[in-house]
Amino acid sequence: DAGVIQSPRHEVTEMGQEVTLRCKPISGHNSLFWYRQTMMRGLELLIYFNNNVPIDDSGMPEDRFSAKMPNASFSTLKIQPSEPRDSAVYFCASSPWGVGSPLHFGNGTRLTVT
Amino acid sequence: QKEVEQNSGPLSVPEGAIASLNCTYSDRGSQSFFWYRQYSGKSPELIMFIYSNGDKEDGRFTAQLNKASQYVSLLIRDSQPSDSATYLCAVNEGYGGATNKLIFGTGTLLAVQP
Repeated sequence: DAGVIQSPRHEVTEMGQEVTLRCKPISGHNSLFWYRQTMMRGLELLIYFNNNVPIDDSGMPEDRFSAKMPNASFSTLKIQPSEPRDSAVYFCASSPWGVGSPLHFGNGTRLTVT
Repeated sequence: QKEVEQNSGPLSVPEGAIASLNCTYSDRGSQSFFWYRQYSGKSPELIMFIYSNGDKEDGRFTAQLNKASQYVSLLIRDSQPSDSATYLCAVNEGYGGATNKLIFGTGTLLAVQP
């Protein structure tokens, strides 16, 4: 079990640039979640997918953020254009189907926008 | 707005003592409750989950759930310096129909003093 794999581990970019974060969930897991963590706000759910379908994107801050899951083994979170306030650690997590299933987190991507 | 509340701490306990971490939640429909541990610079890792009122024990850890009072707690017996971390409480969204979407508290920082 390789766990949830995220890339890159660190990303430093300038304001206005496009940023793409990538995630490979654990094989067989049907649900995928994107969270953002900051000191001020803790872990915030941005969006989650069940069986590759976006279920709830109410946490996506604004139209600059978009997420896709083209197949069961890959998802992206894109920020365009990026802003300094987007600086945070972005976690991807996956879980088996069903209410009550625990989440398994990737190692995260630390994003710094200057 | 659904909320999960935790005291941010730090909670300082001497080595060998019992650490008690508490969490309250607002969503009366929530059915699944989780405790995650997060070391500085690392991703959250699952420690315990509990679904039913009462206590659930796993090694040095005991989770306690009281749905009527809407609180969940985590006890760590014989605390060790290696237990020093931030402990995150997570609750599934239940109002309007239970989902596997997890809402996280902002975490309690535990410091175990040798």
